[in-house]
Amino acid sequence: QLVESGGGLVHPGGSLRLSCAASGFHFFSTFDMHWVRQPIAKGLEWVSAFGAAGDSYYSASVKGRFTISRDDAANSLYLHMNDLRVGDTGIYFCSRGAPGPDNWHFDLWGRGTLVTVSS
Amino acid sequence: QPVLTQSPSASASLGASVKLTCTVSSGHRNYAVAWHQHLPEKGPRYLLQVKSDGSHRKGDGIPDRFSASSSGTERYLIISNVQSEDEADYYCQTWGTDIRVFGGGTKLTVL
Repeated sequence: QLVESGGGLVHPGGSLRLSCAASGFHFFSTFDMHWVRQPIAKGLEWVSAFGAAGDSYYSASVKGRFTISRDDAANSLYLHMNDLRVGDTGIYFCSRGAPGPDNWHFDLWGRGTLVTVSS
Repeated sequence: QPVLTQSPSASASLGASVKLTCTVSSGHRNYAVAWHQHLPEKGPRYLLQVKSDGSHRKGDGIPDRFSASSSGTERYLIISNVQSEDEADYYCQTWGTDIRVFGGGTKLTVL
């Protein structure tokens, strides 16, 4: 399973670090890991990925403000969010890329953690 | 980058079948999509993937009631014998260059 934590209320311009703890499966380091968010009353939006090969990717809306990282020894994924905006408000989900050539889709999801950016 | 289009809402009677549609942008008509179910107050759940030829593969533990097919740029999620617990939001998802892409989601109401 994947369990997110670290969400909360932050002022615009503030920072927050989200964590995702993985358990129940082996070889965490071999999976691409992602953050996906859902703004309130809207659909799912891909945010960022940290590949098993050590590469990282970001959506245009967060590039330059968010940094994704992982600690394979701790089976954990992180999202460092800086310069937060009201539009970043939503539930943030941790998700796992499917193994091998199917890594283009997600096959495991967490329950999410709520981030609220408001003055 | 691919664009996925879904109808915002759909409905089905208890025990009936429903087909949800995800339309892939024409320049990406060979792309496969994955379908994810998002129940209220829960994390999403991966259901299955469907290729352009209609072949599909389900995730672990997904009931046989869930299946999929394809036609041209359309990728379908088919739910047979709809149950009350199927009332949820359904998202299709694919990939682009260094990104992942979601459709806008379809809210399924079970009548």
